[in-house]
Amino acid sequence: AQTVTQSQPEMSVQEAETVTLSCTYDTSESNYYLFWYKQPPSRQMILVIRQEAYKQQNATENRFSVNFQKAAKSFSLKISDSQLGDTAMYFCAFEIQGAQKLVFGQGTRLTINP
Amino acid sequence: EAGVVQSPRYKIIEKKQPVAFWCNPISGHNTLYWYLQNLGQGPELLIRYENEEAVDDSQLPKDRFSAERLKGVDSTLKIQPAELGDSAVYLCASSRDRDDEQYFGPGTRLTVT
Repeated sequence: AQTVTQSQPEMSVQEAETVTLSCTYDTSESNYYLFWYKQPPSRQMILVIRQEAYKQQNATENRFSVNFQKAAKSFSLKISDSQLGDTAMYFCAFEIQGAQKLVFGQGTRLTINP
Repeated sequence: EAGVVQSPRYKIIEKKQPVAFWCNPISGHNTLYWYLQNLGQGPELLIRYENEEAVDDSQLPKDRFSAERLKGVDSTLKIQPAELGDSAVYLCASSRDRDDEQYFGPGTRLTVT
């Protein structure tokens, strides 16, 4: 079975700082996807970034980037120049290619302070 | 393009009562998902539909939960009878095809008293 672990229940940083959220996963599959989702208080899950396991290049979306270490089964999210609107729960998720089933971690509550 | 619509946003019921949640996916999305999110945890898949066929319902507690997706568009998730432990957020998501991004609705927060 696939598992996703987020070891940081809560994090807090000042506005404009850089913050890194950790995620590790366990799988015997070789073809899969990794995701970071943001869930603000409105509860709507929003896709932040997606990484295909076969791609060595780390995905980047504006201020959001990942550090994907396939051998270590690690997938961390870096948020640069953090903004107040980044305050939310962040979930790391895993999906075997073709399975159409997301497996989520427990989440990290991120607070950006003014 | 309208997003995934869910109703109601909040529901409070007494235990042993029935409850139903409704989801309207994004137009043209063939795959529909229902997730259960307990407080402080990540969502867990309950059931996945491909058009009107339930292709993965292994995590759905079938003694009290049921779901349907008539005509392969809207879907309803029902609980009968509800138990205190069913208090959670029920999320609906949809995707166009296999391996496409899943788009989530705002969820229904259920409180069972």
